[in-house]
Amino acid sequence: DQQVKQNSPSLSVQEGRISILNCDYTNSMFDYFLWYKKYPAEGPTFLISISSIKDKNEDGRFTVFLNKSAKHLSLHIVPSQPGDSAVYFCAASGPSGAGSYQLTFGKGTKLSVIP
Amino acid sequence: AAGVIQSPRHLIKEKRETATLKCYPIPRHDTVYWYQQGPGQDPQFLISFYEKMQSDKGSIPDRFSAQQFSDYHSELNMSSLELGDSALYFCASTPRGAEIQYFGAGTRLSVL
Repeated sequence: DQQVKQNSPSLSVQEGRISILNCDYTNSMFDYFLWYKKYPAEGPTFLISISSIKDKNEDGRFTVFLNKSAKHLSLHIVPSQPGDSAVYFCAASGPSGAGSYQLTFGKGTKLSVIP
Repeated sequence: AAGVIQSPRHLIKEKRETATLKCYPIPRHDTVYWYQQGPGQDPQFLISFYEKMQSDKGSIPDRFSAQQFSDYHSELNMSSLELGDSALYFCASTPRGAEIQYFGAGTRLSVL
């Protein structure tokens, strides 16, 4: 049972336009959400996160929106650049053992930004 | 800035052999997580440690064990390797109680 879902395996966007990556989750115990970017042969790189007490967090070109009632979050990248081309993973965490916050990942969306 | 270091980067083993993967967290990070990412799959949580104690356990096979040492580095020991163990193994670290995990580059294990 996939608790974090990224329903679009891939997305192509023109350089300079907005990229919108979507993520849905089913576990209402999740209270912290993260986006990671991954290049081939590298580990996931943290991009931006949001706590469940907020509905928006912004960092430069990246904005994450959280809709708790819909159990949906999205990552907006404006403007998109060719260097943003990578696989983007949505991840969620909730309280578990002894201060551990294991992440549950979606399957990723491969973003291609076309020059 | 120092990152999470994993070694080796690549490892080739045969069925029924053993493997040891190492993870050196970012300095002053005392919590370590291990994840397994199969081909075309999302990373799956295996196990975590805080202050040398196991803090949480996920879908880790009984053939695998792990520990965290006094310098906070961690090792994942895998025995009786199976073909299905071929995957990328990531380690991540955080300071105690922090929610943002920083990942290493991973170890690619191939079991032949």
